[in-house]
Amino acid sequence: AQTVTQSQPEMSVQEAETVTLSCTYDTSESDYYLFWYKQPPSRQMILVIRQEAYKQQNATENRFSVNFQKAAKSFSLKISDSQLGDAAMYFCAYRSGRNYGQNFVFGPGTRLSVLP
Amino acid sequence: DTEVTQTPKHLVMGMTNKKSLKCEQHMGHRAMYWYKQKAKKPPELMFVYSYEKLSINESVPSRFSPECPNSSLLNLHLHALQPEDSALYLCASSQVRLVTYEQYFGPGTRLTVT
Repeated sequence: AQTVTQSQPEMSVQEAETVTLSCTYDTSESDYYLFWYKQPPSRQMILVIRQEAYKQQNATENRFSVNFQKAAKSFSLKISDSQLGDAAMYFCAYRSGRNYGQNFVFGPGTRLSVLP
Repeated sequence: DTEVTQTPKHLVMGMTNKKSLKCEQHMGHRAMYWYKQKAKKPPELMFVYSYEKLSINESVPSRFSPECPNSSLLNLHLHALQPEDSALYLCASSQVRLVTYEQYFGPGTRLTVT
């Protein structure tokens, strides 16, 4: 079974600074997808960024980028120019590419605080 | 339209009540999910419907009964719940055969069992 680990329960960053959230996963599969979801205090989970395992290039979405190290099974999220609205719980998630319509495996989450 | 809606937003029910949670999406997704989320924890998968058929039931107690009346709607019927069932219940949907496979989440229903 796949597992996802987020070793930082809480992180804080100064506004306008850069922060990196860590995620590692364990799988024997070669085809899979990785995601970062954000859940602000208003509680709706929002997709931040996705990475297909077969792509070597790291995904980027505006101020959000990932460092995907497939051999190390590491998938960290970098947030540049942090804003107050980035304060949220961040979940790393894994999804197998084998079985369509199947579930995600979520990490335990990292609570990010942004300091003004 | 990339929205998943859930009603009600909040629900307080006694242990002998029967209530239902509703979820709706109009993105043409054919997979829909129910999750339970406790405070400061990740979502825990409860049920998965694929093409309106139950494909995953994660050993959820029978006091939770899912229903998928059509491809846009997902219900969760609640009966004889326990106080430990108090949580945020999230609905999500996704494409079934699409390379990206991400799930879109609704805002959730905050359930309190008294």
